[in-house]
Amino acid sequence: GNSVTQMEGPVTLSEEAFLTINCTYTATGYPSLFWYVQYPGEGLQLLLKATKADDKGSNKGFEATYRKETTSFHLEKGSVQVSDSAVYFCALLNTGGFKTIFGAGTRLFVKA
Amino acid sequence: GAGVSQSPSNKVTEKGKDVELRCDPISGHTALYWYRQSLGQGLEFLIYFQGNSAPDKSGLPSDRFSAERTGGSVSTLTIQRTQQEDSAVYLCASSPAGDLNSPLHFGNGTRLTVT
Repeated sequence: GNSVTQMEGPVTLSEEAFLTINCTYTATGYPSLFWYVQYPGEGLQLLLKATKADDKGSNKGFEATYRKETTSFHLEKGSVQVSDSAVYFCALLNTGGFKTIFGAGTRLFVKA
Repeated sequence: GAGVSQSPSNKVTEKGKDVELRCDPISGHTALYWYRQSLGQGLEFLIYFQGNSAPDKSGLPSDRFSAERTGGSVSTLTIQRTQQEDSAVYLCASSPAGDLNSPLHFGNGTRLTVT
């Protein structure tokens, strides 16, 4: 079946550090891949997406590249800020499907 | 415009009672989803609506759980005879259509506590 695996948290970084949150997936077909973010006290919101292999999604300084050969969609940011502290969810939506499948989420703490 | 609205935001109930959770999706969004987020867990899919019909109810944990959607808009998730393991945040999301180019728009959730 389809599934998403992401690195366990929490991840604690100092401000301006480099961030990587690993995400790998298992899917039949050619899914679209997403990163959602949940800021404290807020609902989940889309951060970025990529719909086909080698696409790079980007938003707010975050990037993720759809790697079909490694079935990965790692989230990166070159310099994190305190305001990036949140829970990040990797997700997939498979071809012809309607059910978005989420990873367990990774909590990020950024210290000033 | 308004986002996805869920009510109540918090609900505390006694074990064995029934509860109803409400979701108002974004106007015009035909697809509506319910997920459950338990402490330390990811998002667990419960049910999906396209219009008023539910093609996939596979995620409902037991027959105590049911959901309906009327007028292609508001949805209600009902949990009968609540148990302590039902305690979680119940999230509703909507999208213009359930396809690869339609990311989900989430509400802020209903935090359910069963005592």
